[in-house]
Amino acid sequence: GAGVSQSPRYKVAKRGQDVALRCDPISGHVSLFWYQQALGQGPEFLTYFQNEAQLDKSGLPSDRFFAERPEGSVSTLKIQRTQQEDSAVYLCASSPRTSGSGTGELFFGEGSRLTVL
Amino acid sequence: AQKVTQAQTEISVVEKEDVTLDCVYETRDTTYYLFWYKQPPSGELVFLIRRNSFDEQNEISGRYSWNFQKSTSSFNFTITASQVVDSAVYFCALSETFSGGGADGLTFGKGTHLIIQP
Repeated sequence: GAGVSQSPRYKVAKRGQDVALRCDPISGHVSLFWYQQALGQGPEFLTYFQNEAQLDKSGLPSDRFFAERPEGSVSTLKIQRTQQEDSAVYLCASSPRTSGSGTGELFFGEGSRLTVL
Repeated sequence: AQKVTQAQTEISVVEKEDVTLDCVYETRDTTYYLFWYKQPPSGELVFLIRRNSFDEQNEISGRYSWNFQKSTSSFNFTITASQVVDSAVYFCALSETFSGGGADGLTFGKGTHLIIQP
């Protein structure tokens, strides 16, 4: 498709389970971002990739969160030993521009809604 | 300190009314970018506008207009003659040149839920 694709759209996990969320960015987009959006809140930055390099992971809330983009296209956000506070929508965004351009127009996917019971 | 403040949590108006969504931002950068995104119930964030800090000209796009005032650090969004399809959550966002959210990362406000009643 032409847009950013995320899967699964919905995921229910039991506390303590590991989950993996996938993002297919727009083809050719260099930059990829993950955001976490809690209910009733704005999206909050998690991590940033430029091609396969993870240049900023300052927003990851704990070492249970791990993201990768091994070939510079598809990215996976993994959450280990999920907790109830991890329940949120995880948004992926991509951009054709590299870090430092400062223009910040991002193309977002529809998100993966994670519910931890 | 919150970098992007959207004080209006929810606004409800009747169709065809004009409505203004407020956004106040905070930054020490001289070069920065401001954005508005729309989030319909489907969840996808839809880009509406980007302004850079050196361009204070107001912009109009159809029924949408934006008022950027550096003196008050505000970037307000007005919808004229609102329609039911405008119902969504609207986010104001800031991109700073050397922010911690990745140089192209965005800092979002908490959003304003706009309800347009028929």
